[in-house]
Amino acid sequence: DVKVTQSSRYLVKRTGEKVFLECVQDMDHENMFWYRQDPGLGLRLIYFSYDVKMKEKGDIPEGYSVSREKKERFSLILESASTNQTSMYLCASSALEGPGAEQYFGPGTRLTVT
Amino acid sequence: AQSVTQPDIHITVSEGASLELRCNYSYGATPYLFWYVQSPGQGLQLLLKYFSGDTLVQGIKGFEAEFKRSQSSFNLRKPSVHWSDAAEYFCAVGGGLLGGSNYKLTFGKGTLLTVNP
Repeated sequence: DVKVTQSSRYLVKRTGEKVFLECVQDMDHENMFWYRQDPGLGLRLIYFSYDVKMKEKGDIPEGYSVSREKKERFSLILESASTNQTSMYLCASSALEGPGAEQYFGPGTRLTVT
Repeated sequence: AQSVTQPDIHITVSEGASLELRCNYSYGATPYLFWYVQSPGQGLQLLLKYFSGDTLVQGIKGFEAEFKRSQSSFNLRKPSVHWSDAAEYFCAVGGGLLGGSNYKLTFGKGTLLTVNP
């Protein structure tokens, strides 16, 4: 079974802190994704990576950056956390290219910024 | 640009009753359609997907969905709901080019299902 793990299930940070969310997949997938999930808004793509050191902005990249130094690991970075970044963050990975690629999701990190 | 609409924010059914969750999509070409389920405190799990061929697709946990091109719909159904089906359900369409010849998934806003005993 594909396994996508996220470093924390719950995280509480203060405004202005630098925050790292880590995601690891164990199936040698090329593609990895970070989403943000908010009630009533569904899932919105923050960043996407299709290879080591390759990244693309999604729909809402402002205030975020990412790092992919190894194929299995994809990190989301909040350079200076703000209260409007309080949300659930979901990581996903996929093996296939094309519009039919199934994405496998981690359990999510619920981040609260106070 | 593609989009997905799930008209029902919240649905309540009794255990054993039938279920239909609605999904309408907008996409210029042949759509790649998905239904995902998110149980409380969990990530998303794929229930089923449609690419082409038979318009009635079977998925896991007894779910099925029917693609209707004329109505731009991909509704999810289950004949008899179990209490463990209580979750949030997301419809998604694949399309819109990303880097590396990849495509993005565009998700609907979700339908929360409550199951009464």
